[in-house]
Amino acid sequence: DVKVTQSSRYLVKRTGEKVFLECVQDMDHENMFWYRQDPGLGLRLIYFSYDVKMKEKGDIPEGYSVSREKKERFSLILESASTNQTSMYLCASSAYAGTSGSGVDTQYFGPGTRLTVL
Amino acid sequence: GENVEQHPSTLSVQEGDSAVIKCTYSDSASNYFPWYKQELGKGPQLIIDIRSNVGEKKDQRIAVTLNKTAKHFSLHITETQPEDSAVYFCAASITGTASKLTFGTGTRLQVTL
Repeated sequence: DVKVTQSSRYLVKRTGEKVFLECVQDMDHENMFWYRQDPGLGLRLIYFSYDVKMKEKGDIPEGYSVSREKKERFSLILESASTNQTSMYLCASSAYAGTSGSGVDTQYFGPGTRLTVL
Repeated sequence: GENVEQHPSTLSVQEGDSAVIKCTYSDSASNYFPWYKQELGKGPQLIIDIRSNVGEKKDQRIAVTLNKTAKHFSLHITETQPEDSAVYFCAASITGTASKLTFGTGTRLQVTL
């Protein structure tokens, strides 16, 4: 079974703090994603990475950065946390679309980190 | 970019009844449409998906239909059970290297006894 783990289930930080959210997957997937989930807004893509050291902006990258130094690990960084970044953060991974021969591969999600910024 | 709208936002059905959740998408190039189920305290999990070359797909009590002309797709759950209670998300994607998904806003399904 694919396993995506996130470093914390709950996190409370102060405004202005630098925050690191860590995600690790054990299926040798090339693609990794960070989403935030807010009530009434669904899941919105922050950043994704399709290879080590590669990253691309998603739909809402402002205020966030990412790091992917190893294939299995994808980190989301809040350089200076603000209260409007209070949210549920979800990490996901998938194989290259060409791996399955179908042109698309399932995204597998971690359990999420609920971040509160005070 | 792609925009996915999902309705209703909440749905309450009695056990044994059917439930239908509908989504529309804006980008005619989208060709992959997965549905995810999110139970309390867990991340979303894929339950069924459909590609644009297929009009309908079934897996036991769940089915998905796709109307490419109208750009909408629907999730149908028959004979609902209490364990079907969860939040359901539709999504759309153009297949490619990273298969980036655009999600709908979610439907909270409550199955009552």
